[in-house]
Amino acid sequence: QITLKESGPTLVKPTQTLTLTCTFSGFSLSTSGVGVGWIRQPPGKALEWLALIYWDNDSRYSPSLKSRLTITKDTSKNQVVLTMTNMDPVDTATYYCSHLHSSGFDYWGQGTLVTVSS
Amino acid sequence: QTVVTQEPSLTVSPGGTVTLTCASSTGAVTSGYYPNWFQQKPGQVPRPLIYSTSNKQSWTPARFSGSLLGGKAALTLSGVQPEDEAEYYCLLFYGGAWVFGGGTKLTVL
Repeated sequence: QITLKESGPTLVKPTQTLTLTCTFSGFSLSTSGVGVGWIRQPPGKALEWLALIYWDNDSRYSPSLKSRLTITKDTSKNQVVLTMTNMDPVDTATYYCSHLHSSGFDYWGQGTLVTVSS
Repeated sequence: QTVVTQEPSLTVSPGGTVTLTCASSTGAVTSGYYPNWFQQKPGQVPRPLIYSTSNKQSWTPARFSGSLLGGKAALTLSGVQPEDEAEYYCLLFYGGAWVFGGGTKLTVL
């Protein structure tokens, strides 16, 4: 079955760069049509889509955050990495990764809470 | 900046029917926006319900259905159950990027 799990620091300081890793199983990111995306949710607020990488290495970003985000994949390790630069307290959120197939985000990780504070 | 708009809150009686909608600031929502719908209960991971307008995930109860209605994406719950009380989010595709709506808090009362 498909599973995803996010990992990374739980606390980062303002201006630092956040690096999150999504480790998945049950599918291959070299399979045509498959992607892995990142979504976040500040406490008590709505979901926000961040970025997506496809099987062919095409990557897409939220226009409002594009300058701060980089998404990469390591197919051999079944991992997708998201980096976000210049972190700010407003970036405090639970960060999720999700499997995309047939234009549906069907499987999600449990999420990881990242707090930005000095 | 593209904005996706949902009703902030709706209330429905048990056994009733309710339709949640999802509008785009760019105009009418079509199948090319590949609308997705998610249910989220407090403290839980969002649960995918619908993708590509009307396709159900394998675990989606039959009482949930997706459609296009009046230029918007719509999620209809028929025969609402108390456990359907939750926040519901839509997600639309804009030719590369995806954008979530602000969510609808559905109360079953």
